[in-house]
Amino acid sequence: GAVVSQHPSRVICKSGTSVKIECRSLDFQATTMFWYRQFPKQSLMLMATSNEGSKATYEQGVEKDKFLINHASLTLSTLTVTSAHPEDSSFYICSAPSFRERGMFSRETQYFGPGTRLLVL
Amino acid sequence: TQLLEQSPQFLSIQEGENLTVYCNSSSVFSSLQWYRQEPGEGPVLLVTVVTGGEVKKLKRLTFQFGDARKDSSLHITAAQPGDTGLYLCAGGPETSGSRLTFGEGTQLTVNP
Repeated sequence: GAVVSQHPSRVICKSGTSVKIECRSLDFQATTMFWYRQFPKQSLMLMATSNEGSKATYEQGVEKDKFLINHASLTLSTLTVTSAHPEDSSFYICSAPSFRERGMFSRETQYFGPGTRLLVL
Repeated sequence: TQLLEQSPQFLSIQEGENLTVYCNSSSVFSSLQWYRQEPGEGPVLLVTVVTGGEVKKLKRLTFQFGDARKDSSLHITAAQPGDTGLYLCAGGPETSGSRLTFGEGTQLTVNP
């Protein structure tokens, strides 16, 4: 299947600093990528949709100036947590949809990155 | 806004028992995906069902999509400790490249 990578896998930073997380589609192009936040033993919460060549679309309640998203190319989206605070500590996951042709039908499947654990001290 | 209700949220069973996880919605979905996630990792796709009434089997896991494409279930037979994890159902996408709608997740613990 398609592969999505994230870097770094975990990061610890001091309160007030900014942290950049990269999401890459390794063997396919993605004009759209999604960024999620996840708390322990809970489902994924969609934060924003990253669009190559245009501005990201943020979900209600997500501060766009706090969580900066840049879709730099068809294989790379970055999420920057600006002026991080302890309450920003979480597991951040990206995903990218990919089409796979199967006979007469093409099916879109979302592939997830391995996640980035952020701890803000 | 489409919503998916997943139940139960937490399930702790003994090895060898059977279990079923449900996802229900009042909305129709073009497809329904089931994911399994282990701590500290991203979700891994188990199966996608697209046709109403469809049943798919993956070893001891059986996935079913409702006739009206509004609900789905995951049944695990003879659960093993290795089945422990967070199971997520997700509906959609509505259009190409659009978001998935996730259920709340089911945290399964299988005790040896």
